[in-house]
Amino acid sequence: DAEITQSPRHKITETGRQVTLACHQTWNHNNMFWYRQDLGHGLRLIHYSYGVHDTNKGEVSDGYSVSRSNTEDLPLTLESAASSQTSVYFCASAEGRTNEKLFFGSGTQLSVL
Amino acid sequence: QKEVEQNSGPLSVPEGAIASLNCTYSDRGSQSFFWYRQYSGKSPELIMFIYSNGDKEDGRFTAQLNKASQYVSLLIRDSQPSDSATYLCAVDREKLTFGTGTRLTIIP
Repeated sequence: DAEITQSPRHKITETGRQVTLACHQTWNHNNMFWYRQDLGHGLRLIHYSYGVHDTNKGEVSDGYSVSRSNTEDLPLTLESAASSQTSVYFCASAEGRTNEKLFFGSGTQLSVL
Repeated sequence: QKEVEQNSGPLSVPEGAIASLNCTYSDRGSQSFFWYRQYSGKSPELIMFIYSNGDKEDGRFTAQLNKASQYVSLLIRDSQPSDSATYLCAVDREKLTFGTGTRLTIIP
């Protein structure tokens, strides 16, 4: 069955370190998204991609970057982790740009100490 | 004003009753509206979407959209304990924007 997987499920890191969260989907979807979820803020869009070599900034992109070298993967990199980036991170993919149905990964709980 | 607003709850509803969840949005140009359900510690999953004014029914769920008043609601009939979750409203203009969610608890 097609799926979307994130790794790791849990990550603890120190302030200033570079961290990369992996996202891999087998739906063959062109559109992939990274969200963070925090109490009181809901899901906020970090970066998104509409295809290979395409990346775009979302509403909370500062301190994050993504790259899309193939259809299946959209890794999220925190260049220099900050305590404010402690959050739950969700990757999602969708078949169309209208985001009719987002398929979410199981999430990564990131703690920056 | 937040782009998508929901009452955070918690909303407590007796088993078998109707649960009513509401959402308002600020962008009049919004075209598509979604309800996602998220169980504690899990990822969101889509349960309903609606594009046109009026009601859309799917099993025990009914989504209602009123573009003139800029609100969308979700009704859950015959509520079950398994419906206890956080319900996220999402609105699509050019990108999907989520509300903060309403936590629903069904009381047996």
